[in-house]
Amino acid sequence: KNQVEQSPQSLIILEGKNCTLQCNYTVSPFSNLRWYKQDTGRGPVSLTIMTFSENTKSNGRYTATLDADTKQSSLHITASQLSDSASYICVVSAISNFGNEKLTFGTGTRLTIIP
Amino acid sequence: DADVTQTPRNRITKTGKRIMLECSQTKGHDRMYWYRQDPGLGLRLIYYSFDVKDINKGEISDGYSVSRQAQAKFSLSLESAIPNQTALYFCATSAEPTVPPGELFFGEGSRLTVL
Repeated sequence: KNQVEQSPQSLIILEGKNCTLQCNYTVSPFSNLRWYKQDTGRGPVSLTIMTFSENTKSNGRYTATLDADTKQSSLHITASQLSDSASYICVVSAISNFGNEKLTFGTGTRLTIIP
Repeated sequence: DADVTQTPRNRITKTGKRIMLECSQTKGHDRMYWYRQDPGLGLRLIYYSFDVKDINKGEISDGYSVSRQAQAKFSLSLESAIPNQTALYFCATSAEPTVPPGELFFGEGSRLTVL
């Protein structure tokens, strides 16, 4: 069964500090891995998408890494800001036998930035 | 204006009532999706449509139906709502990927409470 596990479930850090969120997956056959940011009461917004051949991808202060061998990804946030307070969702894509893409969503890490 | 618009944003209803959630998009995408989000669970796919004449069941389609009225409109219906359908519902769109993967664009969500 395809699964995506994220850790920690929640995290509180001081404004200006860095943090790293983890994502482990057992999804096969792997196609790509995505990180989304979901503000409270809003829809998820894409941060990064990485395919098998990509080890790292940045989007401003967000840097995602992917180790396809160990099936792990991380999202590093640099110099956190209050606006980074949100849930961060890891999503892993598999390609089905029919060529369709199937997404498995993690439960998210709830990040709170305090002043 | 949002690219993916959901109505209503909030709805409280009673068991047994028929409910329709509507989604419209201005992104010009062919592919549309309905997801459900519950606390402690990842988003789960209810139904998806790759064009106006295409409807496909997702992983949790029981108790739901959909209608793709036009390229820009995709509605989700609960024929007889039950309390365990209380959840946050998201509509999403994506373009047909010429180079995978296809990024998902989410609406703001519709919070449904069934009493």
